[in-house]
Amino acid sequence: AQSVTQLGSHVSVSEGALVLLRCNYSSSVPPYLFWYVQYPNQGLQLLLKYTSAATLVKGINGFEAEFKKSETSFHLTKPSAHMSDAAEYFCAVTYSNDYKLSFGAGTTVTVRA
Amino acid sequence: DVKVTQSSRYLVKRTGEKVFLECVQDMDHENMFWYRQDPGLGLRLIYFSYDVKMKEKGDIPEGYSVSREKKERFSLILESASTNQTSMYLCASSSSLPGQGREKLFFGSGTQLSVL
Repeated sequence: AQSVTQLGSHVSVSEGALVLLRCNYSSSVPPYLFWYVQYPNQGLQLLLKYTSAATLVKGINGFEAEFKKSETSFHLTKPSAHMSDAAEYFCAVTYSNDYKLSFGAGTTVTVRA
Repeated sequence: DVKVTQSSRYLVKRTGEKVFLECVQDMDHENMFWYRQDPGLGLRLIYFSYDVKMKEKGDIPEGYSVSREKKERFSLILESASTNQTSMYLCASSSSLPGQGREKLFFGSGTQLSVL
C-alpha cells in the first residue's frame, strides 16, 4: 500500500532559522509527491509537488523540497522561518493516474519570536 | 479563485441521527472528494466521485455514504451517527486526478462534527 511517513509531529523553530520537515515514502513504483499546508481554521493549500520532472522543487512562500529516490525521501525546507509559517504541514503521495492521494499524519510548526 | 464551500463550520449531532454534510464547488470540476482529518492520523479518504452519480470507496467508507446528483454538489451522509465519527471533515475538488499530476486539490475549510 502506498504511504508516507512524516517524522516529528511537532517542530518548533526560531524566527529566521531553518525549517526542515521530513517525509519518507514507501513504494516500488515512481511516486508523485506533494506538500500541503493548513493554516488555522482553513482548508489545505498546495505548497509544491514532484511529478517526475526536476528533483528540486520550488513552491510558494519560499519553500522547496528535494526528491531523493535513493533515500525514498521528499523533505521540505525553508531557509528562514517567518511567524506566518506557523501551520500544519502534510506530505502526500499518489501514483500515475491514481485517484487516491494518501496523506501523512502531519507536522505542526510553531515559530518562536 | 476556485471556491469549495462546506455548508457548516461546526455541527453537533446525537448518536443515531442521520447527518448530511454538504459541499459545493464553483469551478465545474469533475472530481470531488471527502476526507476526514483526525489528530495524528492525517487525512483519510472516505469517498471519491469522478462524475455525477459516480462514486468510488476510499480507505474508510464504513458508516458513510455519498450523493452526487449535480456536478457542483457532493454530499456526505452518516446514516446513523456514532461517537467515533466525531471528526473534522474536509471536502475537496479537482479538474484532474491526483495521479495525473496536472492539477491540485482545492479544499474547503472543513466541518467539525461532534457526535454526542
